[in-house]
Amino acid sequence: GAGVSQSPSNKVTEKGKDVELRCDPISGHTALYWYRQSLGQGLEFLIYFQGNSAPDKSGLPSDRFSAERTGGSVSTLTIQRTQQEDSAVYLCASNSLGNTEAFFGQGTRLTVV
Amino acid sequence: GENVEQHPSTLSVQEGDSAVIKCTYSDSASNYFPWYKQELGKGPQLIIDIRSNVGEKKDQRIAVTLNKTAKHFSLHITETQPEDSAVYFCAASRGSYIPTFGRGTSLIVHP
Repeated sequence: GAGVSQSPSNKVTEKGKDVELRCDPISGHTALYWYRQSLGQGLEFLIYFQGNSAPDKSGLPSDRFSAERTGGSVSTLTIQRTQQEDSAVYLCASNSLGNTEAFFGQGTRLTVV
Repeated sequence: GENVEQHPSTLSVQEGDSAVIKCTYSDSASNYFPWYKQELGKGPQLIIDIRSNVGEKKDQRIAVTLNKTAKHFSLHITETQPEDSAVYFCAASRGSYIPTFGRGTSLIVHP
């Protein structure tokens, strides 16, 4: 596709369940970022991938959060034992090496009930 | 690490007026300052950016200014239109490294 694609666009889950959020970056983009946007808040950095490795995981809020990237392309953000405070829009962005502009997907709106 | 402050959180203007959003940053090594516009239900989209070797950049009705000494930068929108209504984010980074974003400004342009 032409842009960053995220799925699902909306996810409602029960507290305590695990969820997986998917990000398909722009083809050829080596860097991939996950951000969380809570209501009325800015973009909170979660994790950064360069290729398949994650040199910066400093933003993951707890050990319930994990992410992986395979083949230097698709990334999955997994939240285990979801809590209500995990409710937010999860945004993925990508850019190519040496290019400063980050392209965002439309986000996944996660609601934990 | 970098810390970016953004003001105001909400800005309401009449169509045709100008709008100004201001940001400050903490890391003097930051050298890239993008501005993103986020419309309802969409991801943020880059609208303009500025690098530390310039003080001002314009693109039609939008302009950005940068004061490296004071570590602040601003977005100026002139002749605002209803379609400018959105959330605007400033960010700061070192080159292509991870951008740190401000909390966002909700701009409302009243027709």
